[in-house]
Amino acid sequence: QITLKESGPTLVKPTQTLTLTCTFSGFSLTTSGVGVGWVRQPPGKALEWLALIFWDDDERYSPSLKTRLTIAKDTSKKQVVLKMTKMDPVDTATYYCVHATYYYDSSGWRYYFDYWGQGTLVTVSS
Amino acid sequence: DIQMTQSPSTLSASVGDRVTITCRASQSISSWLAWYQQKPGKAPKLLIYKASSLESGVPSRFSGSGSGTEFTLTISSLQPDDFATYYCQQYYSYPWTFGQGTRVEIK
Repeated sequence: QITLKESGPTLVKPTQTLTLTCTFSGFSLTTSGVGVGWVRQPPGKALEWLALIFWDDDERYSPSLKTRLTIAKDTSKKQVVLKMTKMDPVDTATYYCVHATYYYDSSGWRYYFDYWGQGTLVTVSS
Repeated sequence: DIQMTQSPSTLSASVGDRVTITCRASQSISSWLAWYQQKPGKAPKLLIYKASSLESGVPSRFSGSGSGTEFTLTISSLQPDDFATYYCQQYYSYPWTFGQGTRVEIK
């Protein structure tokens, strides 16, 4: 059974760096075809993909936030950490940790999100 | 970036209705599309992947179709548990992008 859980501060001040931790179980991030990423959702708004790290250490970032994001994994602790610098009130959102699964058929291969953490609300305010 | 546009934004329906939500991509994404259901205060839940593949455990009243730039999510007979917001997402290319959501409310 795959589970993911986010942890981190609920309140950060503008200009500070946010550090979120995703602790997962039910799979290994050393297994081929697995990824863990982050998606956020401002209150009342749509979902936005932020970053993803794969079993082979490949990292992908949203171009609009790339300069502010760093994703890293600790396979022994079964954790993935997301750092976001220069936090601003517009970054107030629920941040979700997601599990990405590899899919392959005759038309090609891709990763898609199949499991989500419960989310953690981060408020940016002085 | 590939833009995903859903319609309608809000849909009012009754239990037992057949409901269809449309998602359009700004360029072809082949069939690399997922649909999620989200209830208030909860995380999104995967319903459909690869445009038409039903995720394990999801009721068969949910179905997806389409390819290229036009996709639909259909609920064949709306149940009380189905009132929620639905999102499409393309995973054809980075950055992965979501639609703005379609809220299905009780008529």
